[in-house]
Amino acid sequence: AQTVTQSQPEMSVQEAETVTLSCTYDTSESDYYLFWYKQPPSRQMILVIRQEAYKQQNATENRFSVNFQKAAKSFSLKISDSQLGDAAMYFCAHGDPSGNTPLVFGKGTRLSVIA
Amino acid sequence: DAGVIQSPRHEVTEMGQEVTLRCKPISGHDYLFWYRQTMMRGLELLIYFNNNVPIDDSGMPEDRFSAKMPNASFSTLKIQPSEPRDSAVYFCASSLAGGIYEQFFGPGTRLTVL
Repeated sequence: AQTVTQSQPEMSVQEAETVTLSCTYDTSESDYYLFWYKQPPSRQMILVIRQEAYKQQNATENRFSVNFQKAAKSFSLKISDSQLGDAAMYFCAHGDPSGNTPLVFGKGTRLSVIA
Repeated sequence: DAGVIQSPRHEVTEMGQEVTLRCKPISGHDYLFWYRQTMMRGLELLIYFNNNVPIDDSGMPEDRFSAKMPNASFSTLKIQPSEPRDSAVYFCASSLAGGIYEQFFGPGTRLTVL
């Protein structure tokens, strides 16, 4: 069974600075997807970024990028130029390559952004 | 598209009462997932459906929980009788087979059982 571990329950960052959230996972599969979801106080789960395991290039979405280390089973999220609106819970998740099976989530990291 | 719709957004009930949570997936999506979020256990799958058929219900905590999907545009999660430990946020999500892999989440239902 897949597991996802987020070892940082809470993080904080100064506005305009850069922060990295950590995630490690365990799977016996060679192909899979990894995700970062953002959950603001509204509770809505918002997809931030997605990485396909067979792609070596790290995914990037505007100020959000990942450092995907497949051999180390590590998938960290870097947020550049942090904004107040980035304050939220961030969840790392694993999904299988069929695309339509349940996601396995980490416990989350609460990010605070300090003005 | 309106996205995944869940109702109610908040539910407060007393122990022993029946609770029904509702979900309308995105039109055309053929997979529907029910997740539960608690402080202790995080986000965990309860059950999921493909083309209205339950595929995996191993996450359903016990017989008090049941879920149905009578058609492609509607699903319910029922708890009978409810207990305080059922207090959580319940999310419904839907996805489309093929294409880019993404599950779209509803806004969740916050359930409080007193």
